[in-house]
Amino acid sequence: DAGITQSPRYKITETGRQVTLMCHQTWSHSYMFWYRQDLGHGLRLIYYSAAADITDKGEVPDGYVVSRSKTENFPLTLESATRSQTSVYFCASSDEGRGGTDTQYFGPGTRLTVL
Amino acid sequence: KQEVTQIPAALSVPEGENLVLNCSFTDSAIYNLQWFRQDPGKGLTSLLLIQSSQREQTSGRLNASLDKSSGRSTLYIAASQPGDSATYLCAVNSGYSTLTFGKGTMLLVSP
Repeated sequence: DAGITQSPRYKITETGRQVTLMCHQTWSHSYMFWYRQDLGHGLRLIYYSAAADITDKGEVPDGYVVSRSKTENFPLTLESATRSQTSVYFCASSDEGRGGTDTQYFGPGTRLTVL
Repeated sequence: KQEVTQIPAALSVPEGENLVLNCSFTDSAIYNLQWFRQDPGKGLTSLLLIQSSQREQTSGRLNASLDKSSGRSTLYIAASQPGDSATYLCAVNSGYSTLTFGKGTMLLVSP
């Protein structure tokens, strides 16, 4: 039971490059989320998805793009990376979005450094 | 906009002590509240989830309470152990399953 996995775990890139962070869950959870964690800000929601082909913005979506063609995958793309996007990125999933009744399960995180 | 505050930001206690972590939120219209644990360099592990209709939840030495009307939750840890050392995060679900997190309480339990 793999649960929720993220790849890569560590990534160093340069300003202006495109970067894609992968997230995969094996539970067939309907909801998936991307958060970033920064010192002083805590965890902030970037994008979320209620089901395949349904995505919506969170608190800090600028500079990010998501897609969800399959229930189990939710990639996050930085189209042109900036230094301010240096952060730890967490993917999460949960089942049942109606009324927000269920627990969110988090992946191990991807530490991204933009030089 | 929902805002979540956790006090204290850091806490250091000797092993065996009972302790309380506090979480407050500004908008009482919530669906549920979750407490998470995060070890250094790791992801988040869910500890307890309290639905808005509940007053408390218990798991082992952990007890979380919720007072929705006053916008407060507490996480009580009984008989603390060094293995409890971690950052504890409170998160509020105000709708659509999206969570608003506090900045956490960093707990150190010394032997």
